[in-house]
Amino acid sequence: GAGVSQSPSNKVTEKGKDVELRCDPISGHTALYWYRQSLGQGLEFLIYFQGNSAPDKSGLPSDRFSAERTGGSVSTLTIQRTQQEDSAVYLCASSFEILAGAETQYFGPGTRLLVL
Amino acid sequence: AQSVSQHNHHVILSEAASLELGCNYSYGGTVNLFWYVQYPGQHLQLLLKYFSGDPLVKGIKGFEAEFIKSKFSFNLRKPSVQWSDTAEYFCAVNAAGNNRKLIWGLGTSLAVNP
Repeated sequence: GAGVSQSPSNKVTEKGKDVELRCDPISGHTALYWYRQSLGQGLEFLIYFQGNSAPDKSGLPSDRFSAERTGGSVSTLTIQRTQQEDSAVYLCASSFEILAGAETQYFGPGTRLLVL
Repeated sequence: AQSVSQHNHHVILSEAASLELGCNYSYGGTVNLFWYVQYPGQHLQLLLKYFSGDPLVKGIKGFEAEFIKSKFSFNLRKPSVQWSDTAEYFCAVNAAGNNRKLIWGLGTSLAVNP
């Protein structure tokens, strides 16, 4: 596709339910990132995938959060037993360069999650 | 721990005014530095970045930023803003190398009045 796409664009769920957020990166991009932006906060790194390497999960806030990337393309971020503090915009980005961390990231529109 | 500070949370300017948005970071090693912008209704996109070479970096739409290592700063500048520069501006940093964990500032909301 032309850009990074994310679905759903909005998600309202009840506390305690599980949610899955999807990201389709730009075709050919080997790296994929997930971020969270809570109200009044900057972007918070969650997880990074690069090719077939083990993902960098250092930003996941708790074991309720997990992510996978199938076939080196589509990624799913899963939040189990959602809490109200999980309410945020979840952003996905992808990149194709190999610049030792200086890669340009291309962002999707985000998924706005509201936990009631 | 690394952190990024953007000093101006909200800036209001008139067209043709000069712009400087401050960004300071805390990290003692070699860094990559970025400014991303989010125009109303659009996705975050890269404005410019520094990772090596000339510390004065030029980006899209007439923006530039200067990396001053001694001041741990990467301020964004534009000599004459336009109404279309109205947007949210984010500074971000990571440790150079194989670290992809970007640390972000809280953002600066810029409103340019026509």
